[in-house]
Amino acid sequence: GENVEQHPSTLSVQEGDSAVIKCTYSDSASNYFPWYKQELGKRPQLIIDIRSNVGEKKDQRIAVTLNKTAKHFSLHITETQPEDSAVYFCAVTNYKLVFGAGTILRVKS
Amino acid sequence: DTAVSQTPKYLVTQMGNDKSIKCEQNLGHDTMYWYKQDSKKFLKIMFSYNNKELIINETVPNRFSPKSPDKAHLNLHINSLELGDSAVYFCASSPSDRGSEAFFGQGTRLTVV
Repeated sequence: GENVEQHPSTLSVQEGDSAVIKCTYSDSASNYFPWYKQELGKRPQLIIDIRSNVGEKKDQRIAVTLNKTAKHFSLHITETQPEDSAVYFCAVTNYKLVFGAGTILRVKS
Repeated sequence: DTAVSQTPKYLVTQMGNDKSIKCEQNLGHDTMYWYKQDSKKFLKIMFSYNNKELIINETVPNRFSPKSPDKAHLNLHINSLELGDSAVYFCASSPSDRGSEAFFGQGTRLTVV
């Protein structure tokens, strides 16, 4: 089955710095790569996604890059703010949505 | 008009009891999921249904039985609850099982004592 590895497990940055979270996957047939943000006590919510026919996608301070050959994709957050502090999950889907283990991001002000 | 709603939000019960969690989505989606989130925050897929039919049944004890009376509902029944079943259970739905955003319910925090 699909295996998704996510790194790092925790990440602390200073407010205003950039944060990068990386994921690798095993199933080359996977075609959709979403990123979810989960605040404490809340449900996971989609923040950005990318499909297999695109290499990069950007939405304001958030961007995702995909390397299908190497089977990895990354989340980039620029100009981090304290409200970016949360757990971030990458996910991969072909016929089921499989999540990485999550990254706890702490933005220090 | 919550998109994906699950009840109850909190559930505290004793070992050995049987309990159910209900989930409903009003988005017209074909696919529904159950995920278990343990204390380490890992989101593990348990079941996936597409148009009321079971598509995925991960390695889950058969004490867990999903039921989908129609494509808008996916309930989870758990028999003979154990301490290790304590977790947050999330229901989710998506338009299809092939590459589309999943919308999550608010979660049910199950505590087995």
